Amino acid sequence: EAQVTQNPRYLITVTGKKLTVTCSQNMNHEYMSWYRQDPGLGLRQIYYSMNVEVTDKGDVPEGYKVSRKEKRNFPLILESPSPNQTSLYFCASSPKPGQGLYEQYFGPGTRLTVT
Amino acid sequence: EDKVVQSPLSLVVHEGDTVTLNCSYEVTNFRSLLWYKQEKKAPTFLFMLTSSGIEKKSGRLSSILDKKELFSILNITATQTGDSAVYLCAVRTGANSKLTFGKGITLSVRP
Repeated sequence: EAQVTQNPRYLITVTGKKLTVTCSQNMNHEYMSWYRQDPGLGLRQIYYSMNVEVTDKGDVPEGYKVSRKEKRNFPLILESPSPNQTSLYFCASSPKPGQGLYEQYFGPGTRLTVT
Repeated sequence: EDKVVQSPLSLVVHEGDTVTLNCSYEVTNFRSLLWYKQEKKAPTFLFMLTSSGIEKKSGRLSSILDKKELFSILNITATQTGDSAVYLCAVRTGANSKLTFGKGITLSVRP
């Protein structure tokens, strides 16, 4: 089954404790992206990647890191989480834009709470 | 800074009504505009629009883009309670495909 998986789905952590949210897709997609969704603010792009070893900042990259060492994986790293990073996070992937239908597949979401 | 503005922010209608959801944008290096539907989970793709004046249709949903006036509309005819959701508009820009989302429109369809 074609899908984007994220782990963990739920996480409660404390300020300053490094964490990683994994994202993996099995569709051989070039494009992957991370978003956070907050009430009243909608979906905001954190980082995106056009291909392996290529990453770009989105609208809200501060406090986050990403890496794209393999095509299928795009982990999101919070080196020192703070309470303002409490949010619902989505990973998404799609074929390379411009190559046919640009349908972006979203993962199920990770609800992160930082206390 | 790229901006995507959706209106209205929320809408309550009765089954059978027709609704029009609006999305306007101010961006640099426009590539395409996308509509998504989000229920209590991850967004699901509805339409991608790249050219002005060409209507995209899927059942009771349709959408059109106006690149001169910088907006798009999403129409839903004969609404059903299953159409209740948040509708998201996003604009793709630049060579590396940055995506900027609007804040979404919450549609509630009452029986």
